[in-house]
Amino acid sequence: DAGVIQSPRHEVTEMGQEVTLRCKPISGHDYLFWYRQTMMRGLELLIYFNNNVPIDDSGMPEDRFSAKMPNASFSTLKIQPSEPRDSAVYFCASRLGGGGSEQYFGPGTRLTVT
Amino acid sequence: GQNIDQPTEMTATEGAIVQINCTYQTSGFNGLFWYQQHAGEAPTFLSYNVLDGLEEKGRFSSFLSRSKGYSYLLLKELQMKDSASYLCAVTDSWGKLQFGAGTQVVVTP
Repeated sequence: DAGVIQSPRHEVTEMGQEVTLRCKPISGHDYLFWYRQTMMRGLELLIYFNNNVPIDDSGMPEDRFSAKMPNASFSTLKIQPSEPRDSAVYFCASRLGGGGSEQYFGPGTRLTVT
Repeated sequence: GQNIDQPTEMTATEGAIVQINCTYQTSGFNGLFWYQQHAGEAPTFLSYNVLDGLEEKGRFSSFLSRSKGYSYLLLKELQMKDSASYLCAVTDSWGKLQFGAGTQVVVTP
């Protein structure tokens, strides 16, 4: 079984450009999470979806960030415009069912904004 | 909100035992996870505790005391491959995880 798939694995862009990160969750999972990890702030939850509906976006840093889940197999996280402080590893994770279930993480996208 | 504390780094010798403590202050607590993260890789699940007590899985065990807001992860018979960051994460009733900063475990020969 394929795990969570993320693309691209690495992204280098210039400040002001739009960046789109993509995620395909594990088939059948009904929860999808977007996280950001930096040395300074650790692993932070940005937003999560249940059955394609955004449930909690309180972790999204500002209006420059947006996330969508048009169907059960695909989600995007967009940053527009990007800034150097957005440089981080962005993880997508998915889960089947309730709060005690394991979250499966994708390999992450390493974003560098110059 | 939730406040999660764990040591920054621990060093131990191959074959030894290491205990990583995690304390938390939270509202709406619904369980505690431990994840392992090797450098440059994604976190992977190690354990989940929702009731008080010890859960054992091979060389790894995890303990929870809800009344004390305390958990630990015990790693026995340390191997070089156990060198990694260990993340404590608290979950609420929605399954929303908040992670601690992680404890870097360094295993020396």
